[in-house]
Amino acid sequence: NAGVTQTPKFRILKIGQSMTLQCTQDMNHNYMYWYRQDPGMGLKLIYYSVGAGITDKGEVPNGYNVSRSTTEDFPLRLELAAPSQTSVYFCASSYEGGKDSEQYFGPGTRLTVT
Amino acid sequence: QQPVQSPQAVILREGEDAVINCSSSKALYSVHWYRQKHGEAPVFLMILLKGGEQKGHEKISASFNEKKQQSSLYLTASQLSYSGTYFCGTESHSWGKLQFGAGTQVVVTP
Repeated sequence: NAGVTQTPKFRILKIGQSMTLQCTQDMNHNYMYWYRQDPGMGLKLIYYSVGAGITDKGEVPNGYNVSRSTTEDFPLRLELAAPSQTSVYFCASSYEGGKDSEQYFGPGTRLTVT
Repeated sequence: QQPVQSPQAVILREGEDAVINCSSSKALYSVHWYRQKHGEAPVFLMILLKGGEQKGHEKISASFNEKKQQSSLYLTASQLSYSGTYFCGTESHSWGKLQFGAGTQVVVTP
């Protein structure tokens, strides 16, 4: 199993550009998450999904959008990039909530907006 | 409100013990612990659930005081590989929606 994969690994965007961060998991997990991590800080939840077709906002959803059309994929869309969105983005998945909610993280995407 | 971790950082010699604390102002359903090495993704260590159930690595121990909304992670007989930043994540319901603390940086020296 590859686990959770993310592409791209690195990206530089100009202010106002848009992009999609890709996330795929092959563990048949129902729950998927997007986090951002600013330097020296903890993880902030952007969006999460408990199954195909179901998404909900986390702590910091402004400026982002998600969709979940399949169990495996959970792309994150950045519209009109701003310098405040410079961060490392992690995608994660878990089988479900409760006692089976340990999260498996992808390697991350390092995004710089200039 | 994100959970509060203490201490912010700790330096240990190999073989020494340390305790990392995580406290929340909200009633908790579960506490998760993750370790992140520099430039890498967080890795799951342990989950502690309301009611006493636990799941995680055999060599890691932790406690969860439901009444005080506090959890502690115990690093016993530390090894060089224990170095990294430890994060607690808390949730108030069984939805898997975690709030993470700011992290505790652990450095283990020879």
